[in-house]
Amino acid sequence: AQSVTQLGSHVSVSEGALVLLRCNYSSSVPPYLFWYVQYPNQGLQLLLKYTSAATLVKGINGFEAEFKKSETSFHLTKPSAHMSDAAEYFCAVIRGGYQKVTFGTGTKLQVIP
Amino acid sequence: GAGVSQSPRYKVAKRGQDVALRCDPISGHVSLFWYQQALGQGPEFLTYFQNEAQLDKSGLPSDRFFAERPEGSVSTLKIQRTQQEDSAVYLCASSPRGLAGTTDTQYFGPGTRLTVL
Repeated sequence: AQSVTQLGSHVSVSEGALVLLRCNYSSSVPPYLFWYVQYPNQGLQLLLKYTSAATLVKGINGFEAEFKKSETSFHLTKPSAHMSDAAEYFCAVIRGGYQKVTFGTGTKLQVIP
Repeated sequence: GAGVSQSPRYKVAKRGQDVALRCDPISGHVSLFWYQQALGQGPEFLTYFQNEAQLDKSGLPSDRFFAERPEGSVSTLKIQRTQQEDSAVYLCASSPRGLAGTTDTQYFGPGTRLTVL
């Protein structure tokens, strides 16, 4: 079964600093991978997705992620953190033959002024 | 316009009560998903509908959980004889296509926070 592991349940960065949120997947075949963001008391919003096209995927709000097969990783980055980026971020993978998504446990991002 | 809406946003139930949670997906969306998100966890898949057909209910934790989408639009998740462990946020998501739309974006509602006392 496919799954994802998010390293670090909490990450703190200073405003303007690089954001790096880590995600590793376990899969015997190239998966479809996603990053979602969840603001307090809101549903999840898709940031970006990898569907076996370009390995560097650009998403909304300046985020991007790179699919690295050799490392089985799909880390999320943003060059410069904004206060509005404070939220919880979930890495996710398609499990099964359709859109059955398996989510990681989440990483809460804190941005310090 | 609309996004996915869910009601109620908050529900408090006494242990043993039945509850019904409603999801209004984006109009025309074929696929509808229910997820359960416990405190501090990622969402866990519960069940999937393609139009009115429930194609996958493998994530429903017990036979106390029942979901329906009779006309292929609005869906209801019903929990009978609620237990404290049912306390969670229940998220609904919809996407445009059915099984063929493997990588379609899922659009999530704000969730219903269920607290069982």
